[in-house]
Amino acid sequence: GENVEQHPSTLSVQEGDSAVIKCTYSDSASNYFPWYKQELGKRPQLIIDIRSNVGEKKDQRIAVTLNKTAKHFSLHITETQPEDSAVYFCAARGGSYIPTFGRGTSLIVHP
Amino acid sequence: GAGVSQSPSNKVTEKGKDVELRCDPISGHTALYWYRQSLGQGLEFLIYFQGNSAPDKSGLPSDRFSAERTGGSVSTLTIQRTQQEDSAVYLCASSQDSGVTEAFFGQGTRLTVV
Repeated sequence: GENVEQHPSTLSVQEGDSAVIKCTYSDSASNYFPWYKQELGKRPQLIIDIRSNVGEKKDQRIAVTLNKTAKHFSLHITETQPEDSAVYFCAARGGSYIPTFGRGTSLIVHP
Repeated sequence: GAGVSQSPSNKVTEKGKDVELRCDPISGHTALYWYRQSLGQGLEFLIYFQGNSAPDKSGLPSDRFSAERTGGSVSTLTIQRTQQEDSAVYLCASSQDSGVTEAFFGQGTRLTVV
């Protein structure tokens, strides 16, 4: 089955800095890569996703890149703000139709 | 419309008791997933329902865990003879179909086995 590795597990940045979270996946049939943000005590919510026919997608301060050859994808957050502090999960979905999640990255943005 | 709804929000049970967790997916969503999130951990897949197809139970950790989905809508996750290691947040998610569409999560049920 699919295996998703996510790094780093914790990321601490100063407000205004950029943050990058990286994920790798194992199933070459995976074609959908969502990113979820989970604030403390709340449900995970989709913040951005990318499909396998696209190499990059941007939405304001958030961007995701995908390298299908290397089987890795990354989340980029620019101009970080304290409200960006949360746990971020990457996921990959392929032939099994089951999203497999990474272990999460705890992002801390210091004011 | 309403999102994914789970009940109860919190459940404290004694070791050895059975528990039932309920999930109401978004109306019209054919795909439904259960995940388990232990403290500070990621999302562990448990079971997947898609329409009237047989569920994918490959993530269930033991035969004490089972789930059903009635009428293609509401799903119930049952844990028999609960153990302390079952303590976690159980999250349900639904999506419009099995394709490349967003999965929407419920708020979860926090299960504590004492």
